Amino acid sequence: DAGVTQSPTHLIKTRGQQVTLRCSPKSGHDTVSWYQQALGQGPQFIFQYYEEEERQRGNFPDRFSGHQYPNYSSELNVNALLLGDSALYLCASSYRLAVKPTYEQYFGPGTRLTDT
Amino acid sequence: QKEVEQNSGPLSVPEGAIASLNCTYSDRGSQSFFWYRQYSGKSPELIMSIYSNGDKEDGRFTAQLNKASQYVSLLIRDSQPSDSATYLCAVRGDYGGSQGNLIFGKGTKLSVKP
Repeated sequence: DAGVTQSPTHLIKTRGQQVTLRCSPKSGHDTVSWYQQALGQGPQFIFQYYEEEERQRGNFPDRFSGHQYPNYSSELNVNALLLGDSALYLCASSYRLAVKPTYEQYFGPGTRLTDT
Repeated sequence: QKEVEQNSGPLSVPEGAIASLNCTYSDRGSQSFFWYRQYSGKSPELIMSIYSNGDKEDGRFTAQLNKASQYVSLLIRDSQPSDSATYLCAVRGDYGGSQGNLIFGKGTKLSVKP
């Protein structure tokens, strides 16, 4: 049973550039949530996608955008990179119709974004 | 502002002892509670979930929930050096048809000494 996968593992970018991070959810899952984790902090929610639409969004600027494809995989795009965007970006998958109140989320290995 | 608070530690326990990790949350409407383990440089791994008041046991792990006190805890019995990691408490409220997002604490770093 394939778990959550993310690519790339690492990204090194400079300020002002744009990046795209990718995620494939766990088999049987249809919902993808993205989180940003700064060093020494807990993950912070960016947004959640299911049925190819953004369903909920955290306190992140419009520079952060996403997409979900019919096969449930998802992308996170970050435009006009700032120094403060350096972090571990985590994708979590879950099954939307799981019996409430479960909705367990399982994380992928993450993409580490660093600044040159 | 919904918050989850954890003691950042480090919490140091000897091998074989019980490690006790605590978490409080601010949103009284929260319905679901999770403990994740995160090794250095790795992603969080779900180890326990709890939804009802009381205790839930899974192997060496016991999660405890007290909604009246807005308090969640994780006990690790017979602690092993391999349990050394950061433990993240996460909380999710009831968002109707949406799954809602997880709100995380900053994590407690646990060190188990041989």
